[in-house]
Amino acid sequence: DVKVTQSSRYLVKRTGEKVFLECVQDMDHENMFWYRQDPGLGLRLIYFSYDVKMKEKGDIPEGYSVSREKKERFSLILESASTNQTSMYLCASSSPRGWRNTEAFFGQGTRLTVV
Amino acid sequence: AQSVTQLDSQVPVFEEAPVELRCNYSSSVSVYLFWYVQYPNQGLQLLLKYLSGSTLVKGINGFEAEFNKSQTSFHLRKPSVHISDTAEYFCAVTLFTNAGKSTFGDGTTLTVKP
Repeated sequence: DVKVTQSSRYLVKRTGEKVFLECVQDMDHENMFWYRQDPGLGLRLIYFSYDVKMKEKGDIPEGYSVSREKKERFSLILESASTNQTSMYLCASSSPRGWRNTEAFFGQGTRLTVV
Repeated sequence: AQSVTQLDSQVPVFEEAPVELRCNYSSSVSVYLFWYVQYPNQGLQLLLKYLSGSTLVKGINGFEAEFNKSQTSFHLRKPSVHISDTAEYFCAVTLFTNAGKSTFGDGTTLTVKP
């Protein structure tokens, strides 16, 4: 079974802190994603990576950056956390196979609270 | 760009009743379609997917969905729900050529009452 593991289930950080959210997948997937989930807003894509060191902005990249130094690991960085970044963060991975794209596999989520 | 609309934000039903969760999408090109389920305090997991072929697809836990190209819909159905089906359900679309990036609907909360 594909496993996507997020390093923390719950985090509490102070305003202005630099925050790292880590995600590791064990199925050699090329694609990795970071989403933010807020009530009534569904999932919004923050950043997407389709290969090592490659990244692409999603719909809401402001205030975030990412790092993908190894294929299995995709990190989300909040450079200076703010209270409006309090949210559930979901990591996902998928693999394009030829002309078909497969479904995404999700981690358990990290609920981040910025105080 | 593609978009996804889930027509109901909340669907309350009684146990053993049928349920339909509605999803419409818009796209100028062909898409793949997915339904995911999220149980409380968990990530999303795949219920079912439409890639090609038969327009009626069956998924886990007795769910099924029908792809209707003319109406650009992909509604999720279950003939008899259980308490354990209480969860949030997300419809998602991926363009054939969009490297796996999906656009998600806002979600439908299904609450099954005894």
